[in-house]
Amino acid sequence: ETGVTQTPRHLVMGMTNKKSLKCEQHLGHNAMYWYKQSAKKPLELMFVYSLEERVENNSVPSRFSPECPNSSHLFLHLHTLQPEDSALYLCASSGSVNPQYNSPLHFGNGTRLTVT
Amino acid sequence: KQEVTQIPAALSVPEGENLVLNCSFTDSAIYNLQWFRQDPGKGLTSLLLIQSSQREQTSGRLNASLDKSSGRSTLYIAASQPGDSATYLCAVSPSSLEKQAGTALIFGKGTTLSVSS
Repeated sequence: ETGVTQTPRHLVMGMTNKKSLKCEQHLGHNAMYWYKQSAKKPLELMFVYSLEERVENNSVPSRFSPECPNSSHLFLHLHTLQPEDSALYLCASSGSVNPQYNSPLHFGNGTRLTVT
Repeated sequence: KQEVTQIPAALSVPEGENLVLNCSFTDSAIYNLQWFRQDPGKGLTSLLLIQSSQREQTSGRLNASLDKSSGRSTLYIAASQPGDSATYLCAVSPSSLEKQAGTALIFGKGTTLSVSS
């Protein structure tokens, strides 16, 4: 079992649909993250959770709604998205959100989202 | 505001060549710098993490250096192989942020490496 697993790998949805992305980590980490990767742009941090508590929301539109039911699972609920939201959505985990602990990030393979 | 730049954006080399990828950052106040590899359509794989107190880290054919005062890091790949073809990203963890939470890694856009056999 790989460290961080994301499903689905690909998703096509219309602007009026509601869908969810799922992430699961098997590394015993305390922190989980959602990143967005768009073409020709650096990775953008969206949300950070530490022990199921959201500790950062990086000015993300409300059409993206995260959920962290426990320290191993992270969801990203999507509704009424726009075509410009098409991107690769990456989940990551680390031992701690505290950067002073220098915990490396472990990423999943991402969900390629296309909004039509 | 911390910015990370990677030059060149793309690089093509023949197999066996030694090569250097460059990363620069504008604010030297960092906890660490990380190098990642990303294969097409895949997530990121952590290669090396250099803490701010360290000068370099090595893993196999990879060697990463950090010069915090000048805001630069290099990733050296020895004896390149076609399997090294991927996009390499560097990211810094800034220490000047007031809030403690979140690694808030700042990423560069990456260097896409192609190694031909």
